[in-house]
Parts: sequence; C-alpha cells; structure tokens
Amino acid sequence: AQRVTQPEKLLSVFKGAPVELKCNYSYSGSPELFWYVQYSRQRLQLLLRHISRESIKGFTADLNKGETSFHLKKPFAQEEDSAMYYCALSRSGYNKLIFGAGTRLAVHP
Amino acid sequence: ETGVTQSPTHLIKTRGQQVTLRCSSQSGHNTVSWYQQALGQGPQFIFQYYREEENGRGNFPPRFSGLQFPNYSSELNVNALELDDSALYLCASSLEQFEAFFGQGTRLTVV
Repeated sequence: AQRVTQPEKLLSVFKGAPVELKCNYSYSGSPELFWYVQYSRQRLQLLLRHISRESIKGFTADLNKGETSFHLKKPFAQEEDSAMYYCALSRSGYNKLIFGAGTRLAVHP
Repeated sequence: ETGVTQSPTHLIKTRGQQVTLRCSSQSGHNTVSWYQQALGQGPQFIFQYYREEENGRGNFPPRFSGLQFPNYSSELNVNALELDDSALYLCASSLEQFEAFFGQGTRLTVV
C-alpha cells in the first residue's frame, strides 16, 4: 500500500536548535517526494521537492531509498519556522499527492 | 496573475443533503485536484481533472463527483452527505505536471 508516515504529531524546539522532521514512506516503485508547509492562517505551499535538491529557507531533505525515508532538516531553527509540515509523495510530478498526517513544529524563543 | 480561489469558505449542511464546492484555478492552469482534509489528518486525494476529463481518482465513493469547465474552474459535488464528510476541502491547480498551488479551502460541517 502507498503510505506516508510522519511519526511525530508535535515537535517542540528552542530557537537555534537543530530540527529534524521525520518522514517514512511505503511505495512500490520510485516515487517523487515533497515537503509542504502551512503557516498559521496561510494556505498549504510547497517547501521543497527531492528532485530539485535545493535548500529552501535553510531546510534540506535527503531521499534515502534504502530506509524509505525523506526527513526534513534544518541546523538552526527560527521562530518563523513554526508551522505545520506535511510530507507527501506522488508517482510522478506534483499531482495526485499522498500526504502524511503532518507534524506541527513549534519553535520557542 | 490570480491565485486559486475556493468558495464558499465555510458552510453547514444537514446529513443527507447535497453540496457543491467551487474552485477557480490559477490563470494558465489546466489541471485541478481536489483533496479532503479531516481534522488532524493530512489531505487525502479525491480526484483530478485535466482539460475537463477526470484523470485519476482516490478511494472515495461515487457520491463524490466533479466537473471541470472550459475555463478550467472546477466543482466538487457530494451527494447524500454523511457526518464523516465534515472536513476541509482543498483544491489545487497546476499546469500539467508542474507545481500545484492550493486554495485556502472550504470548511464543510455536516450536522
């Protein structure tokens, strides 16, 4: 079955601490992986895509096919990073996304 | 360039009724996807429309149906509403397989 698992509902850290939001997936084939973010009172938006291999707002994510994981990392969390983060996969492109349940990141001053 | 807009933003319906939700896609986009997001869950794919044809469907019953119009706007229709249909309904528009942009959602409450 195709599934995305985000084991933590809430991750609470202090400003300046490293952050790692976990994402594991189950998929037969080679999916595309994404991280989406939703800031308070804003719409869901793309943060990064594994194919692009970019660093966005200091966040990076590496696809580990052996462990079927796509964890999101940032070395030094900022208060403005507080948001809901969703890991998602698709067979191809940005469409027909399968989302995880999300992790709320709370960065405290 | 206008973004993805959904209407209405909130509505309340009674069990057994029918509802229509609307999505205006971003300018230049020809693909619309609909998602259901229950409280505390991630969005779940309902179906996608590409150039007015259904192009993939998630695990939702036939009482969930949709349309896409020549201007690429879209409707989601739900018949025989059930309490479990209460959720945030999101649409996302894209050009082909490129980045999909989400609307702000319609909050449906079934009582």
